[in-house]
Amino acid sequence: DARVTQTPRHKVTEMGQEVTMRCQPILGHNTVFWYRQTMMQGLELLAYFRNRAPLDDSGMPKDRFSAEMPDATLATLKIQPSEPRDSAVYFCASGLDPDRNEAFFGQGTRLTVV
Amino acid sequence: GENVEQHPSTLSVQEGDSAVIKCTYSDSASNYFPWYKQELGKGPQLIIDIRSNVGEKKDQRIAVTLNKTAKHFSLHITETQPEDSAVYFCAASISSGGYQKVTFGIGTKLQVIP
Repeated sequence: DARVTQTPRHKVTEMGQEVTMRCQPILGHNTVFWYRQTMMQGLELLAYFRNRAPLDDSGMPKDRFSAEMPDATLATLKIQPSEPRDSAVYFCASGLDPDRNEAFFGQGTRLTVV
Repeated sequence: GENVEQHPSTLSVQEGDSAVIKCTYSDSASNYFPWYKQELGKGPQLIIDIRSNVGEKKDQRIAVTLNKTAKHFSLHITETQPEDSAVYFCAASISSGGYQKVTFGIGTKLQVIP
Protein backbone atom coordinates (compact mmCIF):
# COMPACT_ATOMS: atom_id res chain seq x y z
CA ASP A 1 0.00 0.00 0.00
CA ALA A 2 1.11 3.58 -0.58
CA ARG A 3 2.90 5.17 2.33
CA VAL A 4 5.50 7.79 3.17
CA THR A 5 8.81 6.14 4.01
CA GLN A 6 11.34 7.76 6.31
CA THR A 7 14.86 6.65 7.06
CA PRO A 8 16.43 6.13 9.48
CA ARG A 9 13.74 5.39 12.08
CA HIS A 10 16.15 6.12 14.90
CA LYS A 11 19.39 8.09 15.01
CA VAL A 12 21.71 8.76 17.92
CA THR A 13 24.55 11.13 17.21
CA GLU A 14 27.06 13.25 19.03
CA MET A 15 26.76 17.00 19.22
CA GLY A 16 28.42 18.68 16.28
CA GLN A 17 27.88 15.82 13.86
CA GLU A 18 25.93 16.14 10.63
CA VAL A 19 22.57 14.39 10.46
CA THR A 20 20.66 13.61 7.27
CA MET A 21 17.08 12.36 7.35
CA ARG A 22 15.44 11.02 4.22
CA CYS A 23 11.86 10.79 3.06
CA GLN A 24 10.23 9.06 0.13
CA PRO A 25 6.83 10.68 -0.46
CA ILE A 26 3.88 8.75 -1.81
CA LEU A 27 4.25 8.31 -5.56
CA GLY A 28 2.35 11.04 -7.40
CA HIS A 29 2.10 13.40 -4.45
CA ASN A 30 3.27 16.92 -5.24
CA THR A 31 3.56 18.45 -1.76
CA VAL A 32 6.03 17.52 0.97
CA PHE A 33 6.15 18.78 4.56
CA TRP A 34 8.77 18.42 7.28
CA TYR A 35 7.54 18.62 10.88
CA ARG A 36 9.35 18.42 14.20
CA GLN A 37 7.56 16.97 17.21
CA THR A 38 8.59 17.58 20.83
CA MET A 39 6.70 17.26 24.09
CA MET A 40 6.97 20.97 24.78
CA GLN A 41 6.21 22.43 21.34
CA GLY A 42 4.10 19.71 19.75
CA LEU A 43 4.13 19.54 15.96
CA GLU A 44 5.99 22.41 14.31
CA LEU A 45 6.20 22.94 10.57
CA LEU A 46 9.80 23.24 9.42
CA ALA A 47 9.48 23.28 5.63
CA TYR A 48 6.99 22.89 2.83
CA PHE A 49 7.65 21.92 -0.78
CA ARG A 50 5.33 21.93 -3.75
CA ASN A 51 6.46 20.35 -7.00
CA ARG A 52 9.94 20.08 -5.42
CA ALA A 53 10.21 23.84 -4.89
CA PRO A 54 10.47 25.18 -1.32
CA LEU A 55 7.48 27.43 -0.60
CA ASP A 56 7.96 27.98 3.09
CA ASP A 57 10.89 27.21 5.35
CA SER A 58 10.27 29.98 7.83
CA GLY A 59 9.98 27.48 10.68
CA MET A 60 13.45 26.13 10.11
CA PRO A 61 16.60 27.46 11.84
CA LYS A 62 18.51 28.58 8.76
CA ASP A 63 21.96 28.51 10.26
CA ARG A 64 22.02 24.74 10.77
CA PHE A 65 19.03 23.20 9.00
CA SER A 66 18.55 22.68 5.29
CA ALA A 67 15.85 20.89 3.30
CA GLU A 68 15.98 19.78 -0.31
CA MET A 69 14.17 17.67 -2.87
CA PRO A 70 16.76 16.34 -5.30
CA ASP A 71 13.98 14.59 -7.21
CA ALA A 72 10.29 13.82 -6.86
CA THR A 73 10.96 10.59 -4.94
CA LEU A 74 13.34 11.96 -2.32
CA ALA A 75 13.23 14.74 0.26
CA THR A 76 16.07 15.35 2.69
CA LEU A 77 16.41 17.28 5.93
CA LYS A 78 19.93 17.98 7.07
CA ILE A 79 21.23 19.36 10.36
CA GLN A 80 24.81 20.56 10.50
CA PRO A 81 26.10 20.87 13.15
CA SER A 82 23.60 19.06 15.37
CA GLU A 83 22.90 20.20 18.94
CA PRO A 84 21.20 18.47 21.90
CA ARG A 85 18.17 20.78 21.53
CA ASP A 86 17.57 19.24 18.08
CA SER A 87 16.54 15.99 19.76
CA ALA A 88 12.99 15.31 18.61
CA VAL A 89 10.93 13.18 16.26
CA TYR A 90 11.04 14.50 12.71
CA PHE A 91 8.10 13.69 10.46
CA CYS A 92 7.83 13.93 6.73
CA ALA A 93 4.38 14.13 5.19
CA SER A 94 3.19 14.30 1.61
CA GLY A 95 0.01 15.38 -0.09
CA LEU A 96 -1.53 15.19 -3.52
CA ASP A 97 -3.08 18.56 -3.95
CA PRO A 98 -2.70 21.73 -1.90
CA ASP A 99 -6.42 22.33 -2.13
CA ARG A 100 -7.18 19.03 -0.47
CA ASN A 101 -5.01 19.82 2.51
CA GLU A 102 -4.67 16.27 3.84
CA ALA A 103 -1.13 15.32 4.78
CA PHE A 104 -0.05 11.67 4.89
CA PHE A 105 2.62 11.23 7.54
CA GLY A 106 5.56 8.88 7.64
CA GLN A 107 6.51 7.04 10.81
CA GLY A 108 9.13 9.60 11.74
CA THR A 109 12.82 9.68 12.58
CA ARG A 110 13.58 9.80 16.30
CA LEU A 111 16.76 11.87 16.64
CA THR A 112 18.80 11.95 19.82
CA VAL A 113 21.80 14.29 19.98
CA VAL A 114 24.08 13.63 22.94
CA GLY B 1 0.23 33.88 13.08
CA GLU B 2 -2.39 31.32 13.92
CA ASN B 3 -2.55 29.96 17.47
CA VAL B 4 -4.42 26.75 18.29
CA GLU B 5 -5.18 25.79 21.86
CA GLN B 6 -6.36 22.30 22.73
CA HIS B 7 -7.72 20.79 25.92
CA PRO B 8 -7.69 18.66 27.88
CA SER B 9 -4.11 17.47 27.57
CA THR B 10 -5.07 14.06 28.94
CA LEU B 11 -8.43 12.32 29.07
CA SER B 12 -9.42 8.98 30.58
CA VAL B 13 -12.80 7.45 29.87
CA GLN B 14 -14.44 4.11 30.49
CA GLU B 15 -15.00 1.92 27.46
CA GLY B 16 -18.38 2.74 25.95
CA ASP B 17 -18.45 6.31 27.25
CA SER B 18 -18.05 9.39 25.08
CA ALA B 19 -14.94 11.55 24.79
CA VAL B 20 -14.86 15.22 23.85
CA ILE B 21 -11.79 17.24 22.89
CA LYS B 22 -12.01 20.98 22.39
CA CYS B 23 -9.89 23.43 20.44
CA THR B 24 -9.87 27.15 19.85
CA TYR B 25 -8.14 29.10 17.12
CA SER B 26 -7.17 32.73 16.83
CA ASP B 27 -7.27 33.66 13.14
CA SER B 28 -10.78 34.06 11.74
CA ALA B 29 -9.36 33.47 8.22
CA SER B 30 -8.69 29.80 9.02
CA ASN B 31 -10.92 27.73 6.78
CA TYR B 32 -10.01 24.08 7.23
CA PHE B 33 -9.87 22.07 10.46
CA PRO B 34 -8.45 18.54 10.39
CA TRP B 35 -8.16 16.11 13.28
CA TYR B 36 -5.32 13.63 13.46
CA LYS B 37 -4.84 10.50 15.54
CA GLN B 38 -1.36 9.40 16.50
CA GLU B 39 -0.73 5.92 17.84
CA LEU B 40 2.43 5.05 19.70
CA GLY B 41 5.46 4.95 17.40
CA LYS B 42 3.53 6.09 14.36
CA GLY B 43 2.92 9.29 12.49
CA PRO B 44 -0.34 11.23 12.81
CA GLN B 45 -3.19 10.01 10.63
CA LEU B 46 -6.14 12.10 9.48
CA ILE B 47 -9.40 10.81 10.95
CA ILE B 48 -11.87 13.54 10.10
CA ASP B 49 -11.89 17.13 8.89
CA ILE B 50 -14.30 20.00 8.51
CA ARG B 51 -14.34 23.12 6.39
CA SER B 52 -15.43 26.54 7.53
CA ASN B 53 -18.64 26.47 5.52
CA VAL B 54 -19.90 23.45 7.48
CA GLY B 55 -21.04 23.38 11.12
CA GLU B 56 -20.93 19.67 11.80
CA LYS B 57 -19.64 16.48 10.22
CA LYS B 58 -20.06 12.89 11.31
CA ASP B 59 -18.32 9.65 10.39
CA GLN B 60 -19.58 6.61 12.28
CA ARG B 61 -18.53 7.08 15.92
CA ILE B 62 -16.67 10.35 15.45
CA ALA B 63 -18.07 13.80 14.82
CA VAL B 64 -16.68 17.30 14.64
CA THR B 65 -18.43 20.58 15.29
CA LEU B 66 -17.30 24.05 14.32
CA ASN B 67 -18.43 27.37 15.73
CA LYS B 68 -16.89 30.07 13.53
CA THR B 69 -18.26 32.93 15.58
CA ALA B 70 -16.62 31.69 18.76
CA LYS B 71 -13.61 30.27 16.87
CA HIS B 72 -13.78 26.90 18.46
CA PHE B 73 -14.20 23.35 17.23
CA SER B 74 -14.58 19.99 18.93
CA LEU B 75 -14.09 16.29 18.36
CA HIS B 76 -16.64 13.87 19.75
CA ILE B 77 -16.04 10.14 19.98
CA THR B 78 -18.99 8.02 21.03
CA GLU B 79 -19.00 4.42 22.30
CA THR B 80 -15.27 4.56 22.88
CA GLN B 81 -13.21 1.40 22.44
CA PRO B 82 -9.72 0.51 23.69
CA GLU B 83 -8.34 0.97 20.17
CA ASP B 84 -9.37 4.62 20.36
CA SER B 85 -6.55 5.13 22.88
CA ALA B 86 -4.04 7.46 21.21
CA VAL B 87 -2.98 11.09 21.03
CA TYR B 88 -5.38 13.31 19.11
CA PHE B 89 -4.37 16.58 17.46
CA CYS B 90 -6.61 19.31 16.22
CA ALA B 91 -5.35 21.74 13.62
CA ALA B 92 -6.38 24.92 11.86
CA SER B 93 -5.37 25.70 8.32
CA ILE B 94 -5.12 29.11 6.68
CA SER B 95 -4.17 30.15 3.18
CA SER B 96 -0.73 31.75 3.36
CA GLY B 97 1.73 32.49 0.60
CA GLY B 98 -0.19 30.39 -1.89
CA TYR B 99 -0.62 27.31 0.23
CA GLN B 100 -2.60 26.09 3.22
CA LYS B 101 -0.49 26.53 6.35
CA VAL B 102 -1.50 24.12 9.11
CA THR B 103 -1.04 24.88 12.81
CA PHE B 104 -1.49 21.99 15.24
CA GLY B 105 -2.75 21.95 18.79
CA ILE B 106 -0.54 20.45 21.49
CA GLY B 107 -2.43 17.15 21.53
CA THR B 108 -4.74 15.22 23.85
CA LYS B 109 -3.74 11.82 25.15
CA LEU B 110 -6.90 9.73 25.29
CA GLN B 111 -6.97 6.56 27.37
CA VAL B 112 -9.96 4.26 27.09
CA ILE B 113 -10.17 1.96 30.09
CA PRO B 114 -11.62 -1.49 29.32
